[in-house]
Amino acid sequence: EAQVTQNPRYLITVTGKKLTVTCSQNMNHEYMSWYRQDPGLGLRQIYYSMNVEVTDKGDVPEGYKVSRKEKRNFPLILESPSPNQTSLYFCASSPQGRFGYTFGSGTRLTVV
Amino acid sequence: RKEVEQDPGPFNVPEGATVAFNCTYSNSASQSFFWYRQDCRKEPKLLMSVYSSGNEDGRFTAQLNRASQYISLLIRDSKLSDSATYLCVVNDIGNTGKLIFGQGTTLQVKP
Repeated sequence: EAQVTQNPRYLITVTGKKLTVTCSQNMNHEYMSWYRQDPGLGLRQIYYSMNVEVTDKGDVPEGYKVSRKEKRNFPLILESPSPNQTSLYFCASSPQGRFGYTFGSGTRLTVV
Repeated sequence: RKEVEQDPGPFNVPEGATVAFNCTYSNSASQSFFWYRQDCRKEPKLLMSVYSSGNEDGRFTAQLNRASQYISLLIRDSKLSDSATYLCVVNDIGNTGKLIFGQGTTLQVKP
C-alpha cells in the first residue's frame, strides 16, 4: 500500500530532551515536507526537501532540523524541545511540486 | 494580509444543498493550487488539484481565476459525509515544495 509512515503517533517528552520523529514513504517521491498544525494557526510548513541532500526552510524552521540522506526517509529532529513545540506534526510526500502531497497520519507531540 | 485567505465558516447546510467556498492568494507567481479535505484530528487528504481550465470530479468542481488570484470549490448535492474542513493550498514559489495553507473552511452538512 502506498503510504507515508510517521513514528511515533503520540509522544510526551520533557523540555530539552532531544527527539526524532521518523517519516518514511514507499512511493519513490522526490519531494518531502514537514508541517505543524496548531489551533487558530492552521498548517505551517517547517522544512521541505526537493531531493536527496536538498532541503530548505519553510515558514517556521526555528528549533527544528531535518536531513534527507536517502529518498524514502525524512526525519524531523528537535535538538532541545520546548513547550511551544507542543503540536500536531505531519509529514508529507509528493512526486513533484506541481502535484499534491500525500500526508502521514500525524504525530501528536507534547513537551512538558 | 494573509498569503492564503479563506472564510473559516462554519457553513451549515442541509443535505442536498450546493455550497461554494472561495480562497484568495497573494503571490501572483504561484503555479499550483489544491483543495484538501481534513477530518477532525486526521491528516489532510488531497481532494482536487485546481487548473486554469477548471476541473470537475463527480459532485466537486474547482476553478482558478489567475487574474483575480482566487480559487473556488463547488460541492453539489451535499452529503452528510462531506462534513469536514476544506483547506485551500497554494504552491508559493513556482513549483517548488513550499506550500502555503489557508486556515480552512468548516462545512457541516445536516440531515
